[in-house]
Amino acid sequence: AQSVTQLGSHVSVSEGALVLLRCNYSSSVPPYLFWYVQYPNQGLQLLLKYTTGATLVKGINGFEAEFKKSETSFHLTKPSAHMSDAAEYFCAVSERAGNMLTFGGGTRLMVKP
Amino acid sequence: KAGVTQTPRYLIKTRGQQVTLSCSPISGHRSVSWYQQTPGQGLQFLFEYFSETQRNKGNFPGRFSGRQFSNSRSEMNVSTLELGDSALYLCASSLPHVETQYFGPGTRLLVL
Repeated sequence: AQSVTQLGSHVSVSEGALVLLRCNYSSSVPPYLFWYVQYPNQGLQLLLKYTTGATLVKGINGFEAEFKKSETSFHLTKPSAHMSDAAEYFCAVSERAGNMLTFGGGTRLMVKP
Repeated sequence: KAGVTQTPRYLIKTRGQQVTLSCSPISGHRSVSWYQQTPGQGLQFLFEYFSETQRNKGNFPGRFSGRQFSNSRSEMNVSTLELGDSALYLCASSLPHVETQYFGPGTRLLVL
């Protein structure tokens, strides 16, 4: 069975500071990995995904994530936080294309001016 | 291209009633999945439909059911509503054999 752990349900950073949101997964097969963002009263928007190939993936809004198989991690980073980045972020894993997504518990990112 | 649409956006029901939620996928997407989001349990997979057939089902009671029509639109039904069914219900669509799921805005259900 697959599972996802997001360390830190709340993360607070200052505007302009580095954003680091942590995600660890377990999967019995090579996984597909995703980061989604959810703004208040909205659905989920895909930030980036890893399927195969290059382990450093770039997404929208300046976010990127690195797949580290040895650490079973897929941490999300952004060099400089903007106020508009304040939202909830979800890491998810899928064991094959089109299959169900298993989500982590989410991390609420707060950005201080 | 229009995104995933869900109707209604908000719904209030009382315990014991039933409810039907609708999801229209992105044009050309034939796979539709449903998720329940609550503060306590987070995001949980309900079921997935592809070509009018349920392909996968999550760990939910039989009160939760769904179907998919020939135009790929999907509905989910919850019978005998309980207070704990209050949640945001999200629908996602994807192309066949493609890993990325695109989510709709959700239907927020409140059970009183």
